[in-house]
Amino acid sequence: AQKVTQAQTEISVVEKEDVTLDCVYETRDTTYYLFWYKQPPSGELVFLIRRNSFDEQNEISGRYSWNFQKSTSSFNFTITASQVVDSAVYFCALSESTGANSKLTFGKGITLSVRP
Amino acid sequence: DAGVTQSPTHLIKTRGQQVTLRCSPISGHKSVSWYQQVLGQGPQFIFQYYEKEERGRGNFPDRFSARQFPNYSSELNVNALLLGDSALYLCASSVVRSGFTYEQYFGPGTRLTVT
Repeated sequence: AQKVTQAQTEISVVEKEDVTLDCVYETRDTTYYLFWYKQPPSGELVFLIRRNSFDEQNEISGRYSWNFQKSTSSFNFTITASQVVDSAVYFCALSESTGANSKLTFGKGITLSVRP
Repeated sequence: DAGVTQSPTHLIKTRGQQVTLRCSPISGHKSVSWYQQVLGQGPQFIFQYYEKEERGRGNFPDRFSARQFPNYSSELNVNALLLGDSALYLCASSVVRSGFTYEQYFGPGTRLTVT
């Protein structure tokens, strides 16, 4: 069975600090997909990134970067120079299917608070 | 382009009642999935529909059912409501190409409160 663990529950930082959100996953499949979503107070989940299991290249998008390491089954997310607008709950998710059935398994989420 | 839309935004029901939640996917998206998010937890998968057929079902009782219409919109029905059904119900749509489902885009959700 697939499982996603986000051991950190709440993180509080001061604006402009860097912060890393951890994600560890379990799956028996050799092909799978990892995701990060952001959920601001409004409640809507915002898609941030999708990573395929066969592509271990790290990715950077502006202040966001992701570190994927299959050897440790981790897919960590770093926000550089955090801003108040980054305050939200962040979810890591896993999908094992490559077909039309694409169930997402989510972690419990990490609440990030960025203080001015 | 409009995102995923859901209605109603909020709903209050009494135990034992039935509820229907609605979702319209992003234009061009033929796959719709439903998730339940209880306060303080991550979303839990309920159903996925593609081309009006059920393609996946999560670990939810038969009181939960869904369907997808020819225009790809979807309804989630919950019968005999329990207090534990109180949650945010999220709908997501995605593109399916060559049998592969791409990233899912979520709507704002319907907040259901059962009293």
